[in-house]
Amino acid sequence: ETGVTQTPRHLVMGMTNKKSLKCEQHLGHNAMYWYKQSAKKPLELMFVYSLEERVENNSVPSRFSPECPNSSHLFLHLHTLQPEDSALYLCASSQPGLGGGNEQFFGPGTRLTVL
Amino acid sequence: LAKTTQPISMDSYEGQEVNITCSHNNIATNDYITWYQQFPSQGPRFIIQGYKTKVTNEVASLFIPADRKSSTLSLPRVSLSDTAVYYCLVGDMDNDMRFGAGTRLTVKP
Repeated sequence: ETGVTQTPRHLVMGMTNKKSLKCEQHLGHNAMYWYKQSAKKPLELMFVYSLEERVENNSVPSRFSPECPNSSHLFLHLHTLQPEDSALYLCASSQPGLGGGNEQFFGPGTRLTVL
Repeated sequence: LAKTTQPISMDSYEGQEVNITCSHNNIATNDYITWYQQFPSQGPRFIIQGYKTKVTNEVASLFIPADRKSSTLSLPRVSLSDTAVYYCLVGDMDNDMRFGAGTRLTVKP
């Protein structure tokens, strides 16, 4: 596989469920990101990991819990979500410090619906 | 992080050249200008990046004036498949770039 992959592509869950989103990058990058995109809204940056350490958390509710076990994998653990959390969740990776701007490569996203 | 301002939406017709301008008045010396394209229910895709003057690739051109306070993405001869949201971002090699609302381009037959 090449690029950035995300699984599952679609997820429907109840408010009491616990689920996880998975992201894997095959680009050798050392930074990974989680974004949320609600309907017709801009992308919201949720979490940033650099060299497997969280460097930014944009005041995301604790019902979203990220995990970065290594530089190639990123998870988003979900529990007791609300219907307003329904959105497209996008993962991205980049290689800061290579020169130029910090180009991000995005996965296809997970479409999450919370019932 | 430098703030960017771009039109909310634009309409065009097939075969026309489309120019989308982005303002970034507080761009820093080390910042690059990057444009992304996003189709519905997909992740954004890198289009082009530049620092100054003009950059051209197989899909677009990017014009950056000397003061770098704005930039213009030029899409030659657009087709229906170019209907998408286009984002302008500024940042340097070490910073994550922030996405704004973008410009929703609609190409009509």
